[in-house]
Amino acid sequence: EVQLVQSGADVKKPGESLKISCKGSGYSFTTYWIGWVRQMPGKGLEWMGIIYPGDSDTRYSPSFQGQVTISADKSITTAYLQWSSLKASDTAMYYCARSPSPSRHFDYWGQGTLVTVSS
Amino acid sequence: SYELTQPPSVSVSPGQTARITCSGDTLPKKYAYWYQQKSGQAPVLVIYEDTKRPSGIPEKFSGSSSGTMATLTISGAQVEDEADYYCYSTDSSGNPSFGGGTKLTVL
Repeated sequence: EVQLVQSGADVKKPGESLKISCKGSGYSFTTYWIGWVRQMPGKGLEWMGIIYPGDSDTRYSPSFQGQVTISADKSITTAYLQWSSLKASDTAMYYCARSPSPSRHFDYWGQGTLVTVSS
Repeated sequence: SYELTQPPSVSVSPGQTARITCSGDTLPKKYAYWYQQKSGQAPVLVIYEDTKRPSGIPEKFSGSSSGTMATLTISGAQVEDEADYYCYSTDSSGNPSFGGGTKLTVL
């Protein structure tokens, strides 16, 4: 069974750093892309970026380029989304999801990680 | 980013057919995908490549695409189908984008 299990909710202060995770299991982790999707409170879904764990090829949406870093450690079948300096506007639910290619759909999703940034 | 336009809301009575549209300039050449997101849950893929239904998705969900518009149809909609529905596709360069979402109300 394909599963993507994300790290738990986190509360941070503005300016702090954060790295959230997404562990894949039940499939060949290195042959599918893992993407990240943001959902701000009461809003829609936004495509942030995607990584191919096989060779770490990474693509970003222009809206998120330079704002976040996506990485993966194939030895532990885990992808990451990180911020170096959080802002209040980063408060959102973040989902990881699996895709057969950067321009195709997400077929399996993680349960989401709620990130709250507040002073 | 590439714009996919959906109506903010659609409302039907139980048992009626709900149709949710998504318009985008590249839909004549790019596939549309549809996600269902119930309150407090992660999205679920209900239609891929315009018309295909993933395993486990009821036959009441169907998709079509013509010209610059893709349509998700929910036949015999019930209260349990109430959710936000998002279309998803790519621009001419392959950059993905979600539509703004449509809230389906069944009452």
